[in-house]
Amino acid sequence: RKEVEQDPGPFNVPEGATVAFNCTYSNSASQSFFWYRQDCRKEPKLLMSVYSSGNEDGRFTAQLNRASQYISLLIRDSKLSDSATYLCVVIESPMNSGYSTLTFGKGTMLLVSP
Amino acid sequence: EAGVTQSPTHLIKTRGQQATLRCSPISGHTSVYWYQQALGLGLQFLLWYDEGEERNRGNFPPRFSGRQFPNYSSELNVNALELEDSALYLCASSFGHLQETQYFGPGTRLLVL
Repeated sequence: RKEVEQDPGPFNVPEGATVAFNCTYSNSASQSFFWYRQDCRKEPKLLMSVYSSGNEDGRFTAQLNRASQYISLLIRDSKLSDSATYLCVVIESPMNSGYSTLTFGKGTMLLVSP
Repeated sequence: EAGVTQSPTHLIKTRGQQATLRCSPISGHTSVYWYQQALGLGLQFLLWYDEGEERNRGNFPPRFSGRQFPNYSSELNVNALELEDSALYLCASSFGHLQETQYFGPGTRLLVL
């Protein structure tokens, strides 16, 4: 079973639409979660951290559902410039292991059209 | 403030050769991470260095190795190159804790012929 899974998409939406992506993780010991954005042929850049209480940054809202083991990213009022691949990141620190691991999902591609 | 830098931007090698990739972290960052991003496979964690020591290693064979220098810059070495090593190799840096935000460099595109 894959540790971190994302729907690869692409999600094709018109400008102004609201779109949401999920990212599921398999290890309940996972502690920290992030969303990164990667433009075509560019490096990933942090979009936002995901807090247990959920967090919002402008048009972007990230939420964590520990019971169902997934994180979500909601984008409101989509812009053409939102077209990119969105990567989720899960960090886990297994109890008594003395180490942490970081796993990226493969990403979800978003295409916003005029 | 300068971001993470990587060199070279592109590298072409043949099977069996060795490749050396370099990374300079953001000033003040002590951790450097290496990732491989191959087509269709997403970002795969390779190595994590902090304060000159290897802290964690991904599921890659020993021919992938590296080191971190006293100035926190890092090298990734890939020996006995194979065709499937062709990928974008990304370096990231952070303040030293795995849960700190990682900032990525532009990557080195390695092509193995």
